[in-house]
Amino acid sequence: DQQVKQNSPSLSVQEGRISILNCDYTNSMFDYFLWYKKYPAEGPTFLISISSIKDKNEDGRFTVFLNKSAKHLSLHIVPSQPGDSAVYFCAASVRRGSTLGRLYFGRGTQLTVWP
Amino acid sequence: NAGVTQTPKFRILKIGQSMTLQCTQDMNHNYMYWYRQDPGMGLKLIYYSVGAGITDKGEVPNGYNVSRSTTEDFPLRLELAAPSQTSVYFCASSPHPGTRKADTQYFGPGTRLTVL
Repeated sequence: DQQVKQNSPSLSVQEGRISILNCDYTNSMFDYFLWYKKYPAEGPTFLISISSIKDKNEDGRFTVFLNKSAKHLSLHIVPSQPGDSAVYFCAASVRRGSTLGRLYFGRGTQLTVWP
Repeated sequence: NAGVTQTPKFRILKIGQSMTLQCTQDMNHNYMYWYRQDPGMGLKLIYYSVGAGITDKGEVPNGYNVSRSTTEDFPLRLELAAPSQTSVYFCASSPHPGTRKADTQYFGPGTRLTVL
C-alpha cells in the first residue's frame, strides 16, 4: 500500500519555465517531507525538505509547498534548467515521537527540461 | 569525506548463489539503511540499523541478512539469490535523531544486481 504517491511518472518542461512536481500522501502521522533528486547511475541526493508546521520552504530556485488538509505537497522549480533533468522522489517520515528517521518514498517523477 | 560508498557497482548472480553487498560511510552516522529500487517503483526499506550491534527489519526483509559490527560498515547478505531480487540496491546513512539534518539520509551510488 503506497503511502506516498507521485501520480505523474514524467514531466517535460521548456528551459526557463516553471516545473511543478506533485506528491500526495495518505498517512496523517507524517510530519516531515523531503524531496530527493536522482541522476542515472547515482544515488538519490537530498534537495529540500519541509516540516508540517510550515506551509512553504524556499531554497534558491526550489520551493516546496505543503497543504496538510489536502495531504498534498508540491515542488516548484523556477526557472527550470536542463541540468534539472532527473528523477525526483518525494519522501515522508514520522518525526514526532520517533527515534527512527524511516522514509517512505513515492515512485518518482522523471523531469525533462528541454532547451 | 567520501560519504557513502558501495561495492560492487554491478553484479550478475546465478539462482541460488550468495553474495554480500558492501556499504561504508565515513560521516560517523549512527543510522544506516538498505533500500531496493525496482523499475518504476520507489525505494523500499530492507533493513536498518540504529548503531553498531543493532539491526532491524524494514518493509521487505525476506531473503536478506545484515550485520553491523562497526559504525562505518553495514553489509547486506543475499544467501540464496532469486530472480525476484534483481534490483538496484542503495545504502544510506543519517545522523542521530536530534542532531542537525537528522532526517536527511545520504545515499551511496547503488549496486545493480541481476539474478539469472
